[in-house]
Amino acid sequence: SSELTQDPAVSVALGQTVRITCQGDSLRSYYASWYQQKPGQAPVLVIYGKNNRPSGIPDRFSGSSSGNTASLTITGAQAEDEADYYCNSRDSSGNHLRGVFGTGTKVTVL
Amino acid sequence: QVQLQESGPGLVKPSGTLSLTCAVSGGSISSSNWWSWVRQPPGKGLEWIGEIYHSGSTNYNPSLKSRVTISVDKSKNQFSLKLSSVTAADTAVYYCAMGDIVVVPAAISYYYMDVWGKGTTVTVSS
Repeated sequence: SSELTQDPAVSVALGQTVRITCQGDSLRSYYASWYQQKPGQAPVLVIYGKNNRPSGIPDRFSGSSSGNTASLTITGAQAEDEADYYCNSRDSSGNHLRGVFGTGTKVTVL
Repeated sequence: QVQLQESGPGLVKPSGTLSLTCAVSGGSISSSNWWSWVRQPPGKGLEWIGEIYHSGSTNYNPSLKSRVTISVDKSKNQFSLKLSSVTAADTAVYYCAMGDIVVVPAAISYYYMDVWGKGTTVTVSS
């Protein structure tokens, strides 16, 4: 399947660690990239590649990947990390080459 | 630093054609990037629409392919989206984004969109 599946919602206590997962066959060919989206704002890239953070992204965000599963971990979650998170990859199966987004995970910081 | 800005009508009639433009500033549309369109219906997740390279090569979401055209205008440093035969289901915030692809032979490749426009809301209604 070319789809990417995420848990709909997770919660984390302030200062604790939360892991968000993304599953899909396309992840065997392309690393997931991860985007944070706050209400009314455009998505922001937080992790790409094996485990790369764009400039300005705190080091509490990290990524990992194994087989058809990618993970985004927030270590020491802060109140400002409350947002929707989407994984994204590239599907090169069949006759189509296309981008694909995960279903999204809403992270609540308690 | 590259910046992107979407523009176009905020209201389109059913069965009409949605037309949006994304202006690229701070960089060249002829760089080694893929230029993408992504949309988000109200209260829903992100949907990848398609992308274009400066050479004119395109890739589209198969679910929208019959209605989508993405084009590039190098002289104006911008790219555009046309979506035909729109219905209420096409009501969404439309984003343009700059993508990077690093293909690693015999290993896992990289694909990500590191610059996004602020988005523009398009409503399909009569």
